[in-house]
Amino acid sequence: QSVLTQPPSVSAAPGQKVTISCSGSSSNIGNNYVSWYQQLPGTAPKLLIYDNDKRPSGIPDRFSGSKSGTSATLGITGLQTGDEADYYCGSWDSSLSAWAFGGGTKLTVL
Amino acid sequence: QGHLQESGPGLVKPSETLSLTCTVSGGSVRSGSYYWSWIRQPPGKGLEWIGNIHYSGRTNYNASLKSRVTTSVDTSKNQFSLELSSVTAADTAVYYCARANYFYYYMDLWGEGTTVTVSS
Repeated sequence: QSVLTQPPSVSAAPGQKVTISCSGSSSNIGNNYVSWYQQLPGTAPKLLIYDNDKRPSGIPDRFSGSKSGTSATLGITGLQTGDEADYYCGSWDSSLSAWAFGGGTKLTVL
Repeated sequence: QGHLQESGPGLVKPSETLSLTCTVSGGSVRSGSYYWSWIRQPPGKGLEWIGNIHYSGRTNYNASLKSRVTTSVDTSKNQFSLELSSVTAADTAVYYCARANYFYYYMDLWGEGTTVTVSS
């Protein structure tokens, strides 16, 4: 059971917008930064969002992150078939003194 | 930007010790700005954080694995390593090494991963 909770799957049509939620607690998301990772099929994860809402160089602005209280959200606009991937949220858990990943969300672009 | 590459045996026998090394290029493992991390992914499952180490020796581990995990840094070879003892089939996974921000722990650079199978 993951410390951070994500929906197992989401889907949307090409060109549409989708959001992926990540729910935690005061010991992780509530008091620490959230990051998001994209894992394309058969590849290593890649950092998509860090510090709740910052994008690394090279990540298009179609990807956005936000945080409110003990939950965080990844938004993807202008969906493309190439966005089909597993998406993971992550945050430091101060009670556990350990990093926590969400269980992952599989995005399907219909 | 940097590059990370995992290496080690692809097959380990039950009850033995899994040993992996991550070679850092395009940067220094002695950088105080990073923790060096290990993450694994069992077949068809999600990511599991194993732990991380700073070149100073400071470490953090997943509580569920802590009793079996040892990590180390070799500054002369610009590498860091993972040892996981008393492995079972449940330790079969793709193992990734990654670079983590020292202050906020997010992982901004990942290796391509290496598959380790535990089987006799």
